[in-house]
Amino acid sequence: DQQVKQNSPSLSVQEGRISILNCDYTNSMFDYFLWYKKYPAEGPTFLISISSIKDKNEDGRFTVFLNKSAKHLSLHIVPSQPGDSAVYFCAAYSSGTYKYIFGTGTRLKVLA
Amino acid sequence: ETGVTQSPTHLIKTRGQQVTLRCSSQSGHNTVSWYQQALGQGPQFIFQYYREEENGRGNFPPRFSGLQFPNYSSELNVNALELDDSALYLCASRREGLAGVEQYFGPGTRLTVT
Repeated sequence: DQQVKQNSPSLSVQEGRISILNCDYTNSMFDYFLWYKKYPAEGPTFLISISSIKDKNEDGRFTVFLNKSAKHLSLHIVPSQPGDSAVYFCAAYSSGTYKYIFGTGTRLKVLA
Repeated sequence: ETGVTQSPTHLIKTRGQQVTLRCSSQSGHNTVSWYQQALGQGPQFIFQYYREEENGRGNFPPRFSGLQFPNYSSELNVNALELDDSALYLCASRREGLAGVEQYFGPGTRLTVT
């Protein structure tokens, strides 16, 4: 039972353009959603999060949008840079169970 | 500020053996979680410790157990190792009580069971 899904295993984007990574979830009890970036041989690095009571959060080049009615969130990276090439995971957190549920990841490749 | 560290980096064990993995939380963090990441998958939540007690658990059998120490460092113990336990084990810490729930991850321990 995959409660958090990232349906695109990979994405290629030209440098300077927008990267949009998508994530769907099934459990309406999640309180927070988070995005992490992972390089090979390193642990995931926290990027940005959003509370379930908000619909947008922005931090520099990264913006996360949350559509609760569709149970969908997306991460926008503008402008994309070659250093953004990594695997991106979305995660959902439930304060009732203290559990974090991760998606399977999307590999982003930013082409110079 | 010291980040999350894990030891060892790599480990090879034989099926049926027991293993202990270690994690030092980031300075000021009082909550630690452990994850198992199989190849091509996202991290799977094993459990979380807060103030030396387990307060959240994923779908892992009891042979996966843990400890958190007064200095907030932590151990993950796995008994009766199975081949499917081969994975990257990640530790993450955060400060409970602060706004936000972001965790900070260590580099992981790569466990191979033969």
